[in-house]
Amino acid sequence: GAVVSQHPSRVICKSGTSVKIECRSLDFQATTMFWYRQFPKQSLMLMATSNEGSKATYEQGVEKDKFLINHASLTLSTLTVTSAHPEDSSFYICSASPSPTAYGYTFGSGTRLTVV
Amino acid sequence: SQQGEEDPQALSIQEGENATMNCSYKTSINNLQWYRQNSGRGLVHLILIRSNEREKHSGRLRVTLDTSKKSSSLLITASRAADTASYFCATDKLSDKLIFGTGTRLQVFP
Repeated sequence: GAVVSQHPSRVICKSGTSVKIECRSLDFQATTMFWYRQFPKQSLMLMATSNEGSKATYEQGVEKDKFLINHASLTLSTLTVTSAHPEDSSFYICSASPSPTAYGYTFGSGTRLTVV
Repeated sequence: SQQGEEDPQALSIQEGENATMNCSYKTSINNLQWYRQNSGRGLVHLILIRSNEREKHSGRLRVTLDTSKKSSSLLITASRAADTASYFCATDKLSDKLIFGTGTRLQVFP
């Protein structure tokens, strides 16, 4: 159980365009999901907490207008990178859990974004 | 922001040897978790240890937690080439948000 699906796994887009990444909890409901960003050979940096039915909570230094998060249902959160620039190229990963203190978190397989 | 640091940053060992990774963190925690990441992939949850626990085992994994020193260690015994990956500790800052350490890249040579 506790499967999180992330799509797409890879995307290449042109500068100035927007890209949407989906994160789905397949076998549990997730009122909260988390979005991370990871640069090569570095750790995961928490970007924001996605809350079902309400606004996302962004970490300090993360532009909310740049990284739009929508959590419209209990099984789906989306991250939209707007007006993408080459420096937005990174590995984006989402996570969720049916019971964090019991099971830890399940992560999606990640999305490799390349902005050209 | 990073909650903690791990050392070593990189570790190379031969199959059959034990691998020990250490994690230090900064703030009070509910629990500490260890994750594994294969290159370019998502993370896999390995083990969770609560703040009132001192040691936990899962198969070839042994995790210790010292809250007085704000540190944890992950021991992988009898390592295998398939254990090659990056290993991260992560703590929750009393709000279910997971904050990750800097990670240890483990290379196990056959």
